[in-house]
Amino acid sequence: GAVVSQHPSRVICKSGTSVKIECRSLDFQATTMFWYRQFPKKSLMLMATSNEGSKATYEQGVEKDKFLINHASLTLSTLTVTSAHPEDSSFYICSAVDRTSFAYEQYFGPGTRLTVT
Amino acid sequence: AQSVTQLGSHVSVSEGALVLLRCNYSSSVPPYLFWYVQYPNQGLQLLLKYTSAATLVKGINGFEAEFKKSETSFHLTKPSAHMSDAAEYFCAVSEGNAGNMLTFGGGTRLMVKP
Repeated sequence: GAVVSQHPSRVICKSGTSVKIECRSLDFQATTMFWYRQFPKKSLMLMATSNEGSKATYEQGVEKDKFLINHASLTLSTLTVTSAHPEDSSFYICSAVDRTSFAYEQYFGPGTRLTVT
Repeated sequence: AQSVTQLGSHVSVSEGALVLLRCNYSSSVPPYLFWYVQYPNQGLQLLLKYTSAATLVKGINGFEAEFKKSETSFHLTKPSAHMSDAAEYFCAVSEGNAGNMLTFGGGTRLMVKP
């Protein structure tokens, strides 16, 4: 099956710094990628929809200036957490949509655990 | 708008017993429904999905789920639990097609006792 990677898998940063998380579709082109956030022992909440070549669409309550999303190519979307604070600590998961298949399959990355100290 | 409710945040079964994880959905259009499994500190693995074909869907690792429109349910079952089934399970719904955004249920942690 198709593979989606995320880098880094874990990152620890100091409060006030910025962190970039990469989401790559390794063997297919993804015009659409989604970014989800998962709090400890909680479900996944959609943060934003990332479309290649256009601005991301953010869900209500998600600060677009804090969570910068760039989808510059058909295989890469990045999420940058700017001026990180401890409350941004979370598990961030991306998914990528393969629209070449009739069924429009959606594949998930392994997640990135962000800890802000 | 779409939503998913998973009844029971924790389910405990004995090894070899039936596994039943409940999922009810709400959708304004015919839904696509999914079950995912998540092991600690890992991403999501697709167990199975319903995409308007057969109402009884068979997935990996012996799991299956039945779409019941009249009950707006998509419960996940497995005849005999294995220790390796212990994990977090998420039911999700998307509208229109499988490539649209997913709305997840709250998750059910399955514990398997020896």
